[in-house]
Amino acid sequence: QKEVEQNSGPLSVPEGAIASLNCTYSDRGSQSFFWYRQYSGKSPELIMFIYSNGDKEDGRFTAQLNKASQYVSLLIRDSQPSDSATYLCAVTKYSQKLVFGTGTRLLVSP
Amino acid sequence: DADVTQTPRNRITKTGKRIMLECSQTKGHDRMYWYRQDPGLGLRLIYYSFDVKDINKGEISDGYSVSRQAQAKFSLSLESAIPNQTALYFCATCASDDRNEQFFGPGTRLTVL
Repeated sequence: QKEVEQNSGPLSVPEGAIASLNCTYSDRGSQSFFWYRQYSGKSPELIMFIYSNGDKEDGRFTAQLNKASQYVSLLIRDSQPSDSATYLCAVTKYSQKLVFGTGTRLLVSP
Repeated sequence: DADVTQTPRNRITKTGKRIMLECSQTKGHDRMYWYRQDPGLGLRLIYYSFDVKDINKGEISDGYSVSRQAQAKFSLSLESAIPNQTALYFCATCASDDRNEQFFGPGTRLTVL
């Protein structure tokens, strides 16, 4: 079992819709959870982080964490074509090393 | 100016050559990391350093070495490059706190022929 799992996609949504990206992790001791956005050929960019169970909202983005079920999700409201990218989930605990999933490719069509 | 810079941005080299990739940061972070990214495999940690005197192997350190010349500089070397080291290489930095929010450089695309 991979430490961090994501569906590779592509996830296709129309412009204006809600995109829902999911990530599961295997280590119950994980403490911090991150979402990075990566455009093709570019570096990962941190867009959201969450440490506590529940929801965290920042603009059009909402991160959701459920430690009991070991999943973290990212919702993107009012999706735009510029949101088309690969979204990487990353998880860490005391070791301070991030473990990344392989990413979900999101395609937002006009 | 970019907070995390990497040089070179692109490099093509031949099998057996020694290559050095450099990373510099102005964020004042103590922690620095080297990753490689391959299609379908995601980001994999090569080496990391929590301060100038601290160097640690990641999950795929074989064939690589690093040097932390200063708080702001962390170099990755391939002593004898081989074709399966063709990849996109990223440097990242992080503050010494519990949040582990890492910030990435622009990447170096390395091709080994």
